[in-house]
Amino acid sequence: AQSVTQLGSHVSVSEGALVLLRCNYSSSVPPYLFWYVQYPNQGLQLLLKYTSAATLVKGINGFEAEFKKSETSFHLTKPSAHMSDAAEYFCAVSGESSYKLIFGSGTRLLVRP
Amino acid sequence: NAGVTQTPKFRVLKTGQSMTLLCAQDMNHEYMYWYRQDPGMGLRLIHYSVGEGTTAKGEVPDGYNVSRLKKQNFLLGLESAAPSQTSVYFCASSYSFNDGTLPTNTGELFFGEGSRLTVL
Repeated sequence: AQSVTQLGSHVSVSEGALVLLRCNYSSSVPPYLFWYVQYPNQGLQLLLKYTSAATLVKGINGFEAEFKKSETSFHLTKPSAHMSDAAEYFCAVSGESSYKLIFGSGTRLLVRP
Repeated sequence: NAGVTQTPKFRVLKTGQSMTLLCAQDMNHEYMYWYRQDPGMGLRLIHYSVGEGTTAKGEVPDGYNVSRLKKQNFLLGLESAAPSQTSVYFCASSYSFNDGTLPTNTGELFFGEGSRLTVL
């Protein structure tokens, strides 16, 4: 069985500040891990994914995430927040030969001017 | 390039009514999914399909049925709507790759814009 826990339903940062969104996973098989972003009234779109290659993964819009097996974590970071980053972010887990993605409950990122 | 298209985008039903949500994708993807999104609960998988003519249950299948008669379409049906089914429904599709061992979902889901359903 696989599951994802996102710590913090809301995160607020100032424009230009570091963004850190936390994700911990549970998986009985080597996991594939993903971050998706959802802008208001839109569907989700892929930010980045980890599929057992490099542990530090770079995505779109300056986001990156690091897979840490010992901590079962896949936290999302961005060095400097921009107003356009305000959205809801979802962490998701899958496994090799698995057809399904299991999503976390989401973290809403607020960016203050 | 349409991607994933959901119809209708909005619908209001009375308890006990039935309806069908249609999802169409033009990317020739094998896998298709129906999720529901509720505040504080993220996305929960209702049903999914790994190919034409096949469907399987997800995390919250009760009260829903699906069909995948054509590869490009995935229908979600509510036979007798209940207020608990008020939600935003998302359809998604994805492709797979096979490296010679097992077919693997790349995990990159392409989502539609959602269908907001209210059951009174």
